[in-house]
Amino acid sequence: NAGVTQTPKFQVLKTGQSMTLQCAQDMNHNSMYWYRQDPGMGLRLIYYSASEGTTDKGEVPNGYNVSRLNKREFSLRLESAAPSQTSVYFCASSGDIYGYTFGSGTRLTVV
Amino acid sequence: TQLLEQSPQFLSIQEGENLTVYCNSSSVFSSLQWYRQEPGEGPVLLVTVVTGGEVKKLKRLTFQFGDARKDSSLHITAAQPGDTGLYLCAGARGSNYKLTFGKGTLLTVNP
Repeated sequence: NAGVTQTPKFQVLKTGQSMTLQCAQDMNHNSMYWYRQDPGMGLRLIYYSASEGTTDKGEVPNGYNVSRLNKREFSLRLESAAPSQTSVYFCASSGDIYGYTFGSGTRLTVV
Repeated sequence: TQLLEQSPQFLSIQEGENLTVYCNSSSVFSSLQWYRQEPGEGPVLLVTVVTGGEVKKLKRLTFQFGDARKDSSLHITAAQPGDTGLYLCAGARGSNYKLTFGKGTLLTVNP
């Protein structure tokens, strides 16, 4: 099925560990995004990539890095995880102004 | 500062009732989108409105974009338990596809 695929779906990390969240889309979209969703805070943009080869900071980029590997793939890396990064992470892609397609999310717990 | 304010935050109604959810801002948006999110899943796009005063209907759901393109509403007629979920509005500014999300309205429709 066409869409956005995120891996892993669940992850538990210890404080200080690192990990990479993977995201791939097969809709030939130019733009890709990483959001985090926290209770009472809504969806907040971490980083985005308007096109292959470009990345920009969003609202809450501290503690994260991203790589736009090619047009299909956009990864999010936590270099040294902190409990404040416990959240649900969503990747999304878009090809025009008419809307995003979201993945099903990665539920991350940092202990 | 929250660019998009959604109200109410929570809404619990009986099957068959009508309801309206609001999305307000002091900023002008080039387009506004509504998403519905179910537990454990990513948001799914319902509609995009781009013209001030535009009204779009999707079965029992009616979406309206304000004349000044600063606000929007979602009206559901004869709500059903399957309408239960988190409803999110999101706005884009200028030619940028980057979206700002409201915090959402959590709707529960009781049988």
